[in-house]
Formats: sequence, structure tokens, C-alpha cells
Amino acid sequence: NAGVTQTPKFQVLKTGQSMTLQCAQDMNHEYMSWYRQDPGMGLRLIHYSVGAGITDQGEVPNGYNVSRSTTEDFPLRLLSAAPSQTSVYFCASSQTSGSLNTGELFFGEGSRLTVL
Amino acid sequence: AQSVTQPDIHITVSEGASLELRCNYSYGATPYLFWYVQSPGQGLQLLLKYFSGDTLVQGIKGFEAEFKRSQSSFNLRKPSVHWSDAAEYFCAVGAARKYIFGTGTRLKVLA
Repeated sequence: NAGVTQTPKFQVLKTGQSMTLQCAQDMNHEYMSWYRQDPGMGLRLIHYSVGAGITDQGEVPNGYNVSRSTTEDFPLRLLSAAPSQTSVYFCASSQTSGSLNTGELFFGEGSRLTVL
Repeated sequence: AQSVTQPDIHITVSEGASLELRCNYSYGATPYLFWYVQSPGQGLQLLLKYFSGDTLVQGIKGFEAEFKRSQSSFNLRKPSVHWSDAAEYFCAVGAARKYIFGTGTRLKVLA
């Protein structure tokens, strides 16, 4: 069981470069989300999706784009990287409908991004 | 607005001692409450959750938490800490499809 898979695990970018963090889940979860984790600040929600074709902003969406064309995939795009986006990024998914609504978030292992 | 407060940034306990990690939340209705644990370099793993019913919930690895509506608290406890419990612990509230996390408490265990 793969669960939630994030790639890449590590990435170094220069200021102004763009990139995409990939997230895939094989649990048929409707809900997917992206968080960033910074020291002393916990996890902050960037964007989330409640199903294919539906996305919404979280607490810190600026500088990031998302799309949800399939149930399985939820990529996070950095349009023009800035040093302030240096962080560890986590993708998480949850089953949020029907009798399996536990609300539990399943996390990927994280992607560590450094912007120089 | 929803918020979660974990007032202790760091806690150090001796192996075998009891543990209590504090969590206070702010939410207009009864929330879904969670505790997650994160080992270094890893993602987060669910320890336990509260949705409704019995206010004392049991989780994995011998952890339990008690929901107290009057205090808006959901404190995590363990009677006897093991060295392998050293990690960072996050309290979270879930409502309206958004999960809000606290800033975490880092637990250090002394041998």
C-alpha cells in the first residue's frame, strides 16, 4: 500500500525558478491538501481540494498554484520561487464522504525545498 | 476563527515518567480533534482522534486524550514514557474541510 507519495524528496531552486511538487494517493480519497512546515509555526495550509476539479485556498496560498484533474493527483506549483518559500512541504489526503468519513489525514513523507 | 494553541514548545521528561501535552482550541461548534506525532524526517502519523461520545479516547502507543468542552482543551497523556516517544506532537482541529494545526510540542526523553 503506497498511501500518499510525494516527489521529489529534496529540491534546490534559484530565486525566480518555477517547479512542481507532485503528490499522488492510491486510497481514492476525495480530500487532498498541501501544507508547509516551518520551525515554530507548525503546519500551515496552502491549498486544498475536496474533489476533482475543485480547489480552494488555505491560510498561505500566495505564490502557489494547484489543480486537481484526477482524484489521485494534486500537484503544487511554485510559479516564481522566493527564499521565503524555503520549507518542508507535506501533502495529505482524507476520505471525507460516505461511511468512511473518519476525517483522518494521511500524510506523505514530505518534500524539502531550498530556494537560494 | 479556528485556532489551536499548544503552549509548550519543548518538554523534557525522564523515561518512565508520566506525560501530559496541552492543547487548547477555538472553534464555534464541537470540532473534530486529533493528535499527530512526527518523528524526525518523517511525515505525521495519527495517534488518536475525537469526534463525539466518550470524552476519553485511547490511541496507539499507549496514548490517551481527554476532551473537555468547558475548557476547550484536548490534552494528550501517557502514564509511562518510553525513549522511543521522543518526537514532535501536533494537536489539530478539523472542521469545514480545513484542518488547523498547532505549532507543535517537541518531546525529549531522558534515559
